[in-house]
Amino acid sequence: DVQMTQSPSSLSASVGDRVTITCRASQGVTNRLAWFQQKPGKAPQSLIYAASSLHSGVPSKFSGSGSGTDFTLTISSLQPEDFATYYCQQYKTYPFTFGGGTKVEFK
Amino acid sequence: EVQLVESGGGLVQPGGSLRLSCVASDFTLSDHYMNWMRQAPGKGLEWVGRSRNKPKGYTAEYAASLEGRFTISRDDSKNSLYLHMNSLRPEDTAVYFCVRDFYVNSVWHPCDLWGRGTQVTVSS
Repeated sequence: DVQMTQSPSSLSASVGDRVTITCRASQGVTNRLAWFQQKPGKAPQSLIYAASSLHSGVPSKFSGSGSGTDFTLTISSLQPEDFATYYCQQYKTYPFTFGGGTKVEFK
Repeated sequence: EVQLVESGGGLVQPGGSLRLSCVASDFTLSDHYMNWMRQAPGKGLEWVGRSRNKPKGYTAEYAASLEGRFTISRDDSKNSLYLHMNSLRPEDTAVYFCVRDFYVNSVWHPCDLWGRGTQVTVSS
């Protein structure tokens, strides 16, 4: 299985901060990488697919980059509604696998 | 409104079986690859399995950790997706999500539409 390692597992940030989350795959997944946001008690929401393509309706403050084994999700200016847990997922190889999540908390 | 609605969750004893349903509204389920995901209490997301679309014969892939206990099926007449779960274990306790994939640039990408989930609890 492809292991997905997210870092950090949690971070504290303030409104207006630029936040970067990384995701590393144990083997190359080309650009088959997605990012999701989840708030407590809610279903996840899809942010990014194909490593850098924004889903319809997702604000441009979110951006993704990377290819192969190393990927990043960046939030350019953190807003109160962005405090949540973020997950990456590879969909290059079955079984599809998720990172362990990054919880973005208020500093 | 385009949506997915899961049902069928509940409390089941270890070793028991359960069938989850996912009904699609305002789009044709058979056109899409579909997934089941799950999330155990306080844990991260886990992919359960994927069903390809009708042109691909509804063939499916599953997480190896399930050891063949789960099966995905569809009913076109009901625009529905199902997850058949057998030999349930306490570690299968989770919220189960039905999730739609979408097709762009010759690739099926995951998860442009999520259901709200249904809770499955395996306990005696």
